[in-house]
Amino acid sequence: EIVLTQSPATLSLSPGERATLSCGASQSVSSSYLAWYQQKPGLAPRLLIYDASSRATGIPDRFSGSGSGTDFTLTISRLEPEDFAVYYCQQYGSSPHTFGQGTKLEIK
Amino acid sequence: QVQLVQSGAEVKKPGSSVKVSCKASGGTFSSYTISWVRQAPGQGLEWMGRIIPILGIANYAQKFQGRVTITADKSTSTAYMELSSLRSEDTAVYYCARDGRFYDYWGQGTLVTVSS
Repeated sequence: EIVLTQSPATLSLSPGERATLSCGASQSVSSSYLAWYQQKPGLAPRLLIYDASSRATGIPDRFSGSGSGTDFTLTISRLEPEDFAVYYCQQYGSSPHTFGQGTKLEIK
Repeated sequence: QVQLVQSGAEVKKPGSSVKVSCKASGGTFSSYTISWVRQAPGQGLEWMGRIIPILGIANYAQKFQGRVTITADKSTSTAYMELSSLRSEDTAVYYCARDGRFYDYWGQGTLVTVSS
């Protein structure tokens, strides 16, 4: 199975700053089938990005995804207070679908 | 608008089984796949398996093979996840999600607590 490793584990930033979250795969992710999810406490994950760089419906354009092969990035251009949460990457190019361990984005 | 509504929280004894339901509305239930994902307290997301309701075919993560059964009832647009031989490490929130490759709709989650 493909192992996804997210870095950093915790990212401390202030509102208005730029956030860069990384997701590395143990093998190439087929067809860039990689998604990013946001999760807030007590809630289900929310799809942000699919196919590595496509924004899901209703997601603000400050969220962007990039990458291919084994290296992927989620960028939040200017952090809003509601963006502080845990972020997970997921590959769905091969079974089993696997998730990264998450990056916690916290207010500095 | 697709909506997935899951059954309520459960408390189970070690060694018993739990069956969680996920009722879909909106969209065409039979035409999409439902995956199940769990999240232990303070931990990340773990894929358990999926079912294609129109085919009735399920496949499972190797970790759960032999302990998990995922089924679907097309007549009620409901998917089910049954986990047997429960142990304390199975305490988690269990989510269903519409699996159209990526997971665009999620249920609200069902907390399963395994405790003697």
